[in-house]
Amino acid sequence: GQSLEQPSEVTAVEGAIVQINCTYQTSGFYGLSWYQQHDGGAPTFLSYNALDGLEETGRFSSFLSRSDSYGYLLLQELQMKDSASYFCAVRFQGGKLIFGQGTELSVKP
Amino acid sequence: SQTIHQWPATLVQPVGSPLSLECTVEGTSNPNLYWYRQAAGRGLQLLFYSVGIGQISSEVPQNLSASRPQDRQFILSSKKLLLSDSGFYLCAWAYRGRDEAFFGQGTRLTVV
Repeated sequence: GQSLEQPSEVTAVEGAIVQINCTYQTSGFYGLSWYQQHDGGAPTFLSYNALDGLEETGRFSSFLSRSDSYGYLLLQELQMKDSASYFCAVRFQGGKLIFGQGTELSVKP
Repeated sequence: SQTIHQWPATLVQPVGSPLSLECTVEGTSNPNLYWYRQAAGRGLQLLFYSVGIGQISSEVPQNLSASRPQDRQFILSSKKLLLSDSGFYLCAWAYRGRDEAFFGQGTRLTVV
């Protein structure tokens, strides 16, 4: 089957660094994406890894290792506004796009 | 610029009633289109996706159906709603061959 596993909840303090992991039991996808969703809102795209390695976009970085079936999203200099749910996602040939169950990040003062 | 419209924002429907949710995209052609459902505090469950007019792929067997009558229009329907159909329904689009998806603001459906 195709599945993406994420921790359900993560808590961190303002200014800290947090890593949200995504492990998968699937293959044949193009790359790993990350989305952010604030409570009651629509998910928004954060980053994408087509190749193994680290991609950096401001305070957010994302990593992919296909050999380890693993990726993560790294958030630095956490701010209160980063409290949200974060989803990893993969797209397959033919357009199918699936998401993990999401990780709820709580940033404390 | 590209925009996605999804309506209504909220909907309360009785059990057994029909459903029609509409999603339209502006500013692009031949998009991939998606319907997802999200239960409270849960992930995004892919319901249907489409890569072209009349082409619908179903991921979850249930009493929902989808149609794409026009290139930029995606409709989610049900003939008879169940209590378990309650949830947050999200429409999304993506460029062909691209991973970044753009979501509508969602419809919060409550079946009573």
